[in-house]
Amino acid sequence: SQQGEEDPQALSIQEGENATMNCSYKTSINNLQWYRQNSGRGLVHLILIRSNEREKHSGRLRVTLDTSKKSSSLLITASRAADTASYFCATDLGASGGSYIPTFGRGTSLIVHP
Amino acid sequence: GAGVSQSPSNKVTEKGKDVELRCDPISGHTALYWYRQSLGQGLEFLIYFQGNSAPDKSGLPSDRFSAERTGGSVSTLTIQRTQQEDSAVYLCASSLEMGLVGETQYFGPGTRLLVL
Repeated sequence: SQQGEEDPQALSIQEGENATMNCSYKTSINNLQWYRQNSGRGLVHLILIRSNEREKHSGRLRVTLDTSKKSSSLLITASRAADTASYFCATDLGASGGSYIPTFGRGTSLIVHP
Repeated sequence: GAGVSQSPSNKVTEKGKDVELRCDPISGHTALYWYRQSLGQGLEFLIYFQGNSAPDKSGLPSDRFSAERTGGSVSTLTIQRTQQEDSAVYLCASSLEMGLVGETQYFGPGTRLLVL
């Protein structure tokens, strides 16, 4: 079962608007990462936030982490049509054979209309 | 440098046949991961390698699935006696190290498998 779950499952906005996606998880984590996937192909890493961080920025991306609520949000400001993709959060599920395996949710499908 | 590559890009096979999926990780990356993604679903973790060793195979869906990695580089995922429910995109990722919390994974483009 997935550790992280994103919502909404789908989001449709107009170019220029902001897009906010949320991720909730069940167990304590060391870090949380957001990835982007175009057209059901490979994922591209966007940003990592550690459990002792509350907010992080990268260009038009802003990620927050609330460990007390076990949730994270990804905000894309001034969206563009090229931002259309699926966005996944990944948490470290914990040690497996002594190492950490990133565990992904089902993703949020974002459509940005030009 | 070159990213993670996977082959074939697409594979159509008949139920009951065996298939081999290949992954070439980024040179120097010691960790390699296989995931499966069914239509509209998240990524299902299958197996990972640290070097040539796969410490935990419990993520493989059934004993029809096996994976190996040789020379600390190329990995193959083999599905024997394929079933229609095996149809999915199989994604491979690599990372520089394993056991480092927050290590970024670099994904290949995936192999889209369709079992008729």
